[in-house]
Amino acid sequence: ETGVTQTPRHLVMGMTNKKSLKCEQHLGHNAMYWYKQSAKKPLELMFVYNFKEQTENNSVPSRFSPECPNSSHLFLHLHTLQPEDSALYLCASSQDPGLGTDTQYFGPGTRLTVL
Amino acid sequence: QKEVEQNSGPLSVPEGAIASLNCTYSDRGSQSFFWYRQYSGKSPELIMSIYSNGDKEDGRFTAQLNKASQYVSLLIRDSQPSDSATYLCAQSRAGNMLTFGGGTRLMVKP
Repeated sequence: ETGVTQTPRHLVMGMTNKKSLKCEQHLGHNAMYWYKQSAKKPLELMFVYNFKEQTENNSVPSRFSPECPNSSHLFLHLHTLQPEDSALYLCASSQDPGLGTDTQYFGPGTRLTVL
Repeated sequence: QKEVEQNSGPLSVPEGAIASLNCTYSDRGSQSFFWYRQYSGKSPELIMSIYSNGDKEDGRFTAQLNKASQYVSLLIRDSQPSDSATYLCAQSRAGNMLTFGGGTRLMVKP
């Protein structure tokens, strides 16, 4: 595997389900990110982890719970979601967010549908 | 609210023409900008980054940054149908948190 991978690629869940999204980066990067992309809206940053420490929570509802066990893996735990949470969830990674020139590379995304 | 604005388009250009995509921003604090291309149903892929005032060229792509006027542009020379996609402009702020514009949809017609 190369780059940034995400599983599953598609997920359909009910409002009472609990599911998790997984992201893995094979680039040796130190920072990982979760973004949400809804139809007709710009990409929205949700969470940032730098060296496994969460450095940003962009006012995300508590029904989204991130976990970063190491610099290569990032999870997004989902519970009691709403239909409006249906979106493409993108993971990204970068080398060093302290650098102004740091570049983020995106995974393929998980298309989530909440029924 | 720090924003990045783009015309949603679609911008339609004939094959072989120059496509010009523009982006304006309100936050003067960060001067790092990125252009990503996103095909329908796919994730964003980096095209170019620009950090200094002026032009930066990479193959058929030229990024331009004008700090005084607070705009960033992307020129695509010799546009091809395969360039048809949504182009996302992003500004980096402290901690490399990206603020994205809504994207401009480009259509290159054969």
